[in-house]
Amino acid sequence: DAGVIQSPRHEVTEMGQEVTLRCKPISGHDYLFWYRQTMMRGLELLIYFNNNVPIDDSGMPEDRFSAKMPNASFSTLKIQPSEPRDSAVYFCASSWSFEQFFGPGTRLTVL
Amino acid sequence: AQRVTQPEKLLSVFKGAPVELKCNYSYSGSPELFWYVQYSRQRLQLLLRHISRESIKGFTADLNNGETSFHLKKPFAQEEDSAMYYCALLTGANSKLTFGKGITLSVRP
Repeated sequence: DAGVIQSPRHEVTEMGQEVTLRCKPISGHDYLFWYRQTMMRGLELLIYFNNNVPIDDSGMPEDRFSAKMPNASFSTLKIQPSEPRDSAVYFCASSWSFEQFFGPGTRLTVL
Repeated sequence: AQRVTQPEKLLSVFKGAPVELKCNYSYSGSPELFWYVQYSRQRLQLLLRHISRESIKGFTADLNNGETSFHLKKPFAQEEDSAMYYCALLTGANSKLTFGKGITLSVRP
């Protein structure tokens, strides 16, 4: 198993543009998490799903952020419109028990 | 509300020195705590879990309910221990983790 897969690995965009980050969880895992990592705030949970259903989106910073999980093998995190303060590393993780398995992350830079 | 506090952002030690990475938590229920580690150019991964009471790569962590702490310790640091370390608290039965802000450990030769 290749583990959790995220794409793209790096994204550079201009302020105001739409950004879509993608995640493929480990097969058989029923939980999927989206995190944002910054120097100032560390690792923040944005939203998580259980069996493709969003359970807690209280960490989503504002309406510009949205996440979907149309099936058990795919999830997206969308930012529209993007702003420079959204620049961060975004991680996806999946789990079926207490241990979460993380993807390599997407480094987003908004100019 | 649940909270995990890692009071330091950076710890720099020489090889062979003891290491203690501090973690304090706030949680009304029965806490389950973890340490995750991110080595350079690698994925964030689980290092150890308090329930297992194991020593992983020479690291140990004891849950102190009285002090609400879960400090990570190693008696003799190695250069390969240099990494970012996150303390995390599992809340409820829903697999949700609350992470601290992390600490960078730098072990110098």
